[in-house]
Formats: sequence, structure tokens, C-alpha cells
Amino acid sequence: NAGVTQTPKFQVLKTGQSMTLQCAQDMNHEYMSWYRQDPGMGLRLIHYSVGAGITDQGEVPNGYNVSRSTTEDFPLRLLSAAPSQTSVYFCASSYSWLLPGNEQFFGPGTRLTVL
Amino acid sequence: GENVEQHPSTLSVQEGDSAVIKCTYSDSASNYFPWYKQELGKGPQLIIDIRSNVGEKKDQRIAVTLNKTAKHFSLHITETQPEDSAVYFCAAGYYGGATNKLIFGTGTLLAVQP
Repeated sequence: NAGVTQTPKFQVLKTGQSMTLQCAQDMNHEYMSWYRQDPGMGLRLIHYSVGAGITDQGEVPNGYNVSRSTTEDFPLRLLSAAPSQTSVYFCASSYSWLLPGNEQFFGPGTRLTVL
Repeated sequence: GENVEQHPSTLSVQEGDSAVIKCTYSDSASNYFPWYKQELGKGPQLIIDIRSNVGEKKDQRIAVTLNKTAKHFSLHITETQPEDSAVYFCAAGYYGGATNKLIFGTGTLLAVQP
């Protein structure tokens, strides 16, 4: 199993540009999520999905869209990039959020810079 | 809103010494407390977790303790080794309901000096 994969690893955007960060998992996990990691602030949840066709907002959803058309893929779209979205983005998946002992597996991250 | 405070932000120890990282949470409904290790250039990886019905859990050189009354929990690493050097994150969450919530601390950079 490849686990959780993310592309690209690095990206530089200009203010106002749009782009999609890709995330895929091959573990048949129901639950997938996107976090951003900023210095001194830990990880903050952007959006999450409990299954195909179901998504919900996390702690910091503004400026981001998600969709979940398949179990495997959970792309994160930046509609109009802003410098405040410069961050490292992590995708994570787990079998189910609601089950005990449920480990979240994180991808390697995408480092995004918005100029 | 809910938050998790983590201390210290940096910790340097000599190889073989113990390291302790402490976290305090604000949401009394939290019932799940995982700890993650993040190595340079990689995503966080779960190393140990504890639920609110347990006061302590141990896995080889790593242990976590939970004080529900005081709303704080700690990570203890004994006999530290250079490969323990990484950023460690605590988190407090609630599972079993309809709302997904896992709040992370701000991280502790642990450096183990050989």
C-alpha cells in the first residue's frame, strides 16, 4: 500500500491564482481530512469527509473547497490564493472517525507559497 | 473556543535522559488524546494515544498520563535516543458523536544530544 499520497510537494502561486492540491489513499478509509500547519499554531482542520459524497467544514474553511466523489480521492481547491494561505498542507485518512483506536494516517504534505 | 496548550516549545536533552512534554486542554468533553511525532519533511505519525477512561498508558519507552480533573496530559519518553529527535504534537478530541473535533497543540521540538 502507498498509504496517503499528496501532490504536488511544493507549489508557488501568485495572489488570485487558483489550484487544486491532490490527496489519495489506497487503504479504503472512509474518513479523510485536510489540515494546514503554520509555525507556532499546530495543525488546524480545514475540511473533512466521512465518506464519498459527504464533506463538512473544519476550523478554518474559508477560501477552500473540497469534494469527495470517490472513497480514494479528496482534493482541496484554493479558489483565489492569498498570501495568508501560505502554509504546509497535510491530508489525513482513517478507517472511521467514530471508532475507538482509530489512527489517522498523514500524507507527506504540500508546501504552498503564495506571493 | 477550545484550545490545547503545549509546553515546552523546545526541549533539549542528553541521550539517555528522560523527556516530558505537557499539554492542557479546555474542552471537558474531550475523551481522546493522541500524540504525534513529526520528523523533518514528513507528516505527523501517531505514536501513542489514551482515552479518558484510562489514567496511564505505556508502550516500551513511551508513556502518556492523563489527569481529567486538571484537564492535562503528558508524554514521557525514557532513555532518549538521537532518533527521538523530532517535533511532537499533542491533541485533544472527542469521538463517539456526530461532530468531528481534534484540536492540536502547537508542538514541541525535541532535540536529543548524543
